[in-house]
Amino acid sequence: GAGVSQSPRYKVAKRGQDVALRCDPISGHVSLFWYQQALGQGPEFLTYFQNEAQLDKSGLPSDRFFAERPEGSVSTLKIQRTQQEDSAVYLCASRLDREIVCHFGPGTRLTVT
Amino acid sequence: QKEVEQDPGPLSVPEGAIVSLNCTYSNSAFQYFMWYRQYSRKGPELLMYTYSSGNKEDGRFTAQVDKSSKYISLFIRDSQPSDSATYLCAMSAHGNFNKFYFGSGTKLNVKP
Repeated sequence: GAGVSQSPRYKVAKRGQDVALRCDPISGHVSLFWYQQALGQGPEFLTYFQNEAQLDKSGLPSDRFFAERPEGSVSTLKIQRTQQEDSAVYLCASRLDREIVCHFGPGTRLTVT
Repeated sequence: QKEVEQDPGPLSVPEGAIVSLNCTYSNSAFQYFMWYRQYSRKGPELLMYTYSSGNKEDGRFTAQVDKSSKYISLFIRDSQPSDSATYLCAMSAHGNFNKFYFGSGTKLNVKP
């Protein structure tokens, strides 16, 4: 079966532009996560959804970051007015309910110039 | 201070060597401990996870947790060039395994 997919795989944005990053989780996976991975660092938690409900957004670094999952499947992470420090790989992960095993997608590499 | 510390390496070993990868942590509430492998330009892939203290073995991989020392290890026996990757430890607290705290990763290179 298909794993978690993310698009685009690479995105270059000029500083100040808005971007939208898409995640298609594994079918039937209730939980969905977004992580940010800066170069040479481990992933850092951004936000968590259970179905369409965003239950934890404590990791979003500023109000420029917004995530949604309106129908409980596909999710979009939006970054407004991008800044250079937003350059990172954005990872999406999904899992079945109450499981510890998370399946990560390949990530979207965002470069803000 | 980060909640999870991991030596970034790089660690270079000859094929067939035993590799030891380690993380320390500061939050005593962590109960789930995971090891992920990440190849270049790919997402992390779960290798093993353990709950609380103890050892767990899976093929050439052994995970150890010492909660009294807040120290976890991953051992790789008979290392292969295909094991060359970045290894990330990750942890979460009991009752909140919806948020993982990752180490910064150790880059491993196994030379043929």
